[in-house]
Amino acid sequence: QQQVKQSPQSLIVQKGGISIINCAYENTAFDYFPWYQQFPGKGPALLIAIRPDVSEKKEGRFTISFNKSAKQFSLHIMDSQPGDSATYFCAARMNSGYSTLTFGKGTMLLVSP
Amino acid sequence: NAGVTQTPKFRVLKTGQSMTLLCAQDMNHEYMYWYRQDPGMGLRLIHYSVGEGTTAKGEVPDGYNVSRLKKQNFLLGLESAAPSQTSVYFCASSYLSGGAYNEQFFGPGTRLTVL
Repeated sequence: QQQVKQSPQSLIVQKGGISIINCAYENTAFDYFPWYQQFPGKGPALLIAIRPDVSEKKEGRFTISFNKSAKQFSLHIMDSQPGDSATYFCAARMNSGYSTLTFGKGTMLLVSP
Repeated sequence: NAGVTQTPKFRVLKTGQSMTLLCAQDMNHEYMYWYRQDPGMGLRLIHYSVGEGTTAKGEVPDGYNVSRLKKQNFLLGLESAAPSQTSVYFCASSYLSGGAYNEQFFGPGTRLTVL
């Protein structure tokens, strides 16, 4: 049972373009939605996160858009750079019990020079 | 401040062999986690711990055991390795949640191959 669905699996964007990765969830008990970035051969690292009481959060070139009614959230990377080439994971955390994260399956982003 | 470290970085096992993966963190985090990462499957939680002496099952616990005898260490054991356990294993740690953002800090991973 996949609780967080992520798309696309892979994405190629030209340098300077906008990269968009989408995630959808069904469980309304999720209360925290982080995105993790993973470079080849490394562990994932937190990139940006949002709570469902806001519709957008921006940090530099990275923006999370959150649509609570549609149960969807997305990561936008503006002015994409070759250094952004990595695998991106969305995740969600339950607001009860212990705080484990449920991850999407990941999106491999390649930004071409 | 080393963050989260994992030992070993690489390992090749034969079917039926056993091994232990070690995770250590120096951030005084309460929570620790073991994930496996397989192509197209994302990160799947194997076991986790919410404090010294406690462990709990995650999404894919079968074939693995864990122990948290010290707050800074979290061990993942494979008693009888199977080819299906070929994967990259990541350890992570985080502060106690309590309403905070609960950022998980990941180690560099252990690449395990079971022949």
